[in-house]
Amino acid sequence: QSVLTQPPSVSGAPGQRVTISCTGSSSNIGANYDVHWYQQFPGTAPKLLIYGNSNRPSGVPDRFSGSKSGTSASLAISGLQADDETDYYCQSYDSSLRAWVFGGGTKLTVL
Amino acid sequence: QLQLQESGPGLVKPSETVSLTCAVSGGSISSSSYSWGWIRQPPGKGLEWIGTIYSSGSTYYNPSLKSRVSISVDTSKNQFSLKVTSVTAADTAVYYCANQVGFQVDYWGQGTLVTVSS
Repeated sequence: QSVLTQPPSVSGAPGQRVTISCTGSSSNIGANYDVHWYQQFPGTAPKLLIYGNSNRPSGVPDRFSGSKSGTSASLAISGLQADDETDYYCQSYDSSLRAWVFGGGTKLTVL
Repeated sequence: QLQLQESGPGLVKPSETVSLTCAVSGGSISSSSYSWGWIRQPPGKGLEWIGTIYSSGSTYYNPSLKSRVSISVDTSKNQFSLKVTSVTAADTAVYYCANQVGFQVDYWGQGTLVTVSS
């Protein structure tokens, strides 16, 4: 059971916009710790996609955006493309556990 | 750009200790701008933070693993290491070393699979 809760799967058609939620609590996201998002293709290491809730590292397309409100955060992907189909993880810090925490991951399927 | 490369035994017997090393290139492991950590991923499952070491030498570990793990730095070789003691099948995972800025991972190693089996 992950400290941060993500939907196991989401799907969308090419060109559409999808969102992936990440729900935490008052000891992590709600305690104003930043949320970061990673993209992971099968058999490869995760890659930083969004940092500090809404910032994109150099090279990440602006189709990817992040937001945070209260005890939740979201990753939005617009103009969905076939090669966006993979796993996405959110991550933050939990002050009660004194630990970095990850969501369980969401598999994005492009229909 | 930083590059990280893990190394270590692929197969370990239950109850033994596994030691992994992460070689860092493209930057100094002594930089105060970074911290260094380990994250693992059991086959088909999600990511789990193991621990982090800061340039000050301070270490922080996942409470669920704290009694069995340790992270150290070798500045002369520009590398850092992870030790996990008393391993069981539940420790079977891909282990990633990571370059951390604040509470995020900027760069990941490619990962090394550790299988615990007799």
